[in-house]
Amino acid sequence: QVQLVESGGGVVLPGGSLRLSCAASGFNFSNYGIHWVRQAPGKGLEWVAAIWFDGSNKHYADSVKGRFTISRDNSKDTLFLQMGSLRGEDSAVYFCARGKGRFANLMDYWGLGTRVTVSS
Amino acid sequence: QSVLTQPPSASETPGQRVTISCSGITSNIGSDYVYWYQQLPGTAPKLLIYRNNLRPSGVPDRFSGSKSGTSASLAISELRSEDEADYYCAAWDDSLSGPMFGGGTKLTVL
Repeated sequence: QVQLVESGGGVVLPGGSLRLSCAASGFNFSNYGIHWVRQAPGKGLEWVAAIWFDGSNKHYADSVKGRFTISRDNSKDTLFLQMGSLRGEDSAVYFCARGKGRFANLMDYWGLGTRVTVSS
Repeated sequence: QSVLTQPPSASETPGQRVTISCSGITSNIGSDYVYWYQQLPGTAPKLLIYRNNLRPSGVPDRFSGSKSGTSASLAISELRSEDEADYYCAAWDDSLSGPMFGGGTKLTVL
C-alpha cells in the first residue's frame, strides 16, 4: 500500500533552517509528482511546493518562494524540503502528498505529517 | 485568505443529506478539475473526490461531487456520526501556478 512518512520536524529559531524528508513506499516513486502541504495550528490546508516526477520542474507558493527548496532523490524514494529564513508563520504540520500523476497534479495519498515550530 | 470559498461550517442530523459548496474563479475551478478531501480530527487529509465527481476505491457512494462553471459542491447522503470532519475543496490555479485549497468546512453531525 502507498505510504509516505515525513521526518525532520522540530523546534527552530526564527531565521533558522530545517530540512524535512518524506520516505515513500508501496508505489513507483519516480513516476509521480509530489507535494508539500502545511497546516498551521487550527487552520486550513496551505499548499507549499510541488516537484515533477523527474525533478525537472518545481513550483512554489509565493509565501515560501526564495526561502524553501523542494527536491527529490528517486534512487532513494525520498522527497525533501529545505526550509530557510524561517518565520513564526511557517509553524505548521508539514504533509507530503503524492500527486495523482507525473506532474503537479492534485494529491491523492498523504503522509501523517511532521510538526515544525518556529519560536525563540 | 483562500481563493476558493467554502462555508466555514455545516450541520445536519444523521440519515440526512448535506451539501458543501466551493466557489472559485475562471483561473481555478473554471479551468481545471476539483478535488475534495476529508480530514478527521487529528489525522491527515484523505481524498474523497477527484476530477470533479470521481470516487477513489473505498470511498462510499454516499459521497458525490459536482461542478458547474466556477463552482463545485460535495454532497454527503445518509449522514453518519463518523462523517463529522473538516472538508476541503481544491483546484489548480493558473494564476498562482499551484494548487489552491478552500478554507475548509467543519461538518457537525447533530
